[in-house]
Amino acid sequence: GIQVEQSPPDLILQEGANSTLRCNFSDSVNNLQWFHQNPWGQLINLFYIPSGTKQNGRLSATTVATERYSLLYISSSQTTDSGVYFCAVLSGGTSYGKLTFGQGTILTVHP
Amino acid sequence: EPEVTQTPSHQVTQMGQEVILRCVPISNHLYFYWYRQILGQKVEFLVSFYNNEISEKSEIFDDQFSVERPDGSNFTLKIRSTKLEDSAMYFCASSVEDKVTEAFFGQGTRLTVV
Repeated sequence: GIQVEQSPPDLILQEGANSTLRCNFSDSVNNLQWFHQNPWGQLINLFYIPSGTKQNGRLSATTVATERYSLLYISSSQTTDSGVYFCAVLSGGTSYGKLTFGQGTILTVHP
Repeated sequence: EPEVTQTPSHQVTQMGQEVILRCVPISNHLYFYWYRQILGQKVEFLVSFYNNEISEKSEIFDDQFSVERPDGSNFTLKIRSTKLEDSAMYFCASSVEDKVTEAFFGQGTRLTVV
């Protein structure tokens, strides 16, 4: 099946810093989503971005499907950005919407 | 904004007991899913459900698991005889279509088997 690798595994920032999280995948995809898992365990949809670039406030994401990677940018980070960021993909050869998740990037933002 | 809702948020059960986790998907969605996340690990696919039947399941989804859409709004996951290793966060998700649309996740049910 498709492989999803996220980097870095851990990231520690001071409040106000910018960061870039990366998601590499091993096959063509029909769907790519970024999630933020907060300290209570909830998965928050950030972006649905199978290709192109999107922005939502301080967050933006870019997916280059032909090169099989996606980037999540966090600018002017805040302590509330802390948590785990997951990338999840739906392989082009997969039916029925099964998302494959990466291992996640654990982000800690210090005040 | 429409959302997927799950109940309960946290359930503690004794080993060997049956549990039912409940989900209300977004109303116009047609595809429903259950995922599982063991503490500290990544989120794993369990099962997808469409048109009142299972469309795909993972090797995790063995005979002790079952899913049902008992009415027009609820979607349930039943674990027949819980084991310690079933302790995890269980997420329900739904989407309009199966491939090229966004999947929306519920807030999760944390299941603890003691």
